[in-house]
Amino acid sequence: DMKVTQMPRYLIKRMGENVLLECGQDMSHETMYWYRQDPGLGLQLIYISYDVDSNSEGDIPKGYRVSRKKREHFSLILDSAKTNQTSVYFCASSLPDRGQAPLFGEGTRLSVL
Amino acid sequence: AQSVTQPDARVTVSEGASLQLRCKYSYFGTPYLFWYVQYPRQGLQLLLKYYPGDPVVQGVNGFEAEFSKSNSSFHLRKASVHWSDWAVYFCAVSPTGGYKVVFGSGTRLLVSP
Repeated sequence: DMKVTQMPRYLIKRMGENVLLECGQDMSHETMYWYRQDPGLGLQLIYISYDVDSNSEGDIPKGYRVSRKKREHFSLILDSAKTNQTSVYFCASSLPDRGQAPLFGEGTRLSVL
Repeated sequence: AQSVTQPDARVTVSEGASLQLRCKYSYFGTPYLFWYVQYPRQGLQLLLKYYPGDPVVQGVNGFEAEFSKSNSSFHLRKASVHWSDWAVYFCAVSPTGGYKVVFGSGTRLLVSP
């Protein structure tokens, strides 16, 4: 069953704490994404990964970094989280062919207090 | 740069009535286009996708969309709306030759009895 799994689903952190969001997929998709979703803004691309250790900044990478050491796993890290990073974060994966529609996880709802 | 505009933040339709959700894209060339649906507290699910070819694309649950190069549009339609269609709908574009997928800000569909 094709699935993108995100952990945790809900997370509350204090400003200045480090945050680790994890994403896994069982389809061996080469391409993986991290987006954040805010009301009225749709989804904004944070990072895209083309394969292990092959990552590229998206439209809003500032304040975030990523790690991809295995094809099935893609992490989003917030070093010293800020209150304006409160959002819903979505991970997605797709085949590397042009124009493939990403398959999304259920999201992680992060609150930074 | 590519972009997607969904001009209607909210649309209300009576159950059983027809539906059109608007999407305009900005891209030089013919892109790949997608419509996704997001139910409350869930991730995005693919409704349908357009690859260069037949301008009318059929999706799941009776949805279809029509691509128009002259109007730079990719509107979503459904002949008869059901209460279960109450959700947020996102239009997205991916350039030919690339992997980046850009999303619109979404349209919230409300279904009245």
